[in-house]
Amino acid sequence: GQNIDQPTEMTATEGAIVQINCTYQTSGFNGLFWYQQHAGEAPTFLSYNVLDGLEEKGRFSSFLSRSKGYSYLLLKELQMKDSASYLCAPKSYGQNFVFGPGTRLSVLP
Amino acid sequence: DVKVTQSSRYLVKRTGEKVFLECVQDMDHENMFWYRQDPGLGLRLIYFSYDVKMKEKGDIPEGYSVSREKKERFSLILESASTNQTSMYLCASSPAGRTSEAANEKLFFGSGTQLSVL
Repeated sequence: GQNIDQPTEMTATEGAIVQINCTYQTSGFNGLFWYQQHAGEAPTFLSYNVLDGLEEKGRFSSFLSRSKGYSYLLLKELQMKDSASYLCAPKSYGQNFVFGPGTRLSVLP
Repeated sequence: DVKVTQSSRYLVKRTGEKVFLECVQDMDHENMFWYRQDPGLGLRLIYFSYDVKMKEKGDIPEGYSVSREKKERFSLILESASTNQTSMYLCASSPAGRTSEAANEKLFFGSGTQLSVL
């Protein structure tokens, strides 16, 4: 099986930077996805990493270390609309997605 | 844009009722999934399907069944609803993984159905 660990909740201030960590254990690793989910809405795709390193996409970046089973999502210049849950989902070859419990981020003015 | 549509946003049912949750996708995706989402537990896979008429159990299939008679439609059935099935139900679809590139397998979710069983 897969063990996925994320902080349950985080709070940050508008304009700040926040890093959401995810650790996982999986066999046959084939990439890691991050999804964003606003309250009462469907999760939407944010990023995908399969190689070690940082992938930057505007204000959001995602980092992966395959050897450490570790990823983080970095959100810069936080806005109120970034208040949401962030789901980490490692993918294994031939297997379905397994989602982490999610990190609920609250952005305060 | 991919659209995954779930027939109901909110449903209230009574214990013992048979409940149908419908999901339709318009991007000709081979794969379809049903998840439930509960506070503190995250998304858990109930059933999935990789083709028409095909179904596979996920991690928590007990008390549920599914039907996939057409490629675009995947139905979740609660044969006899119970209070512990009160939850948010999310349908998702994805294209088949034709290459080793997992990025192509990303999931597209519907808006969810909040089911309350009284």
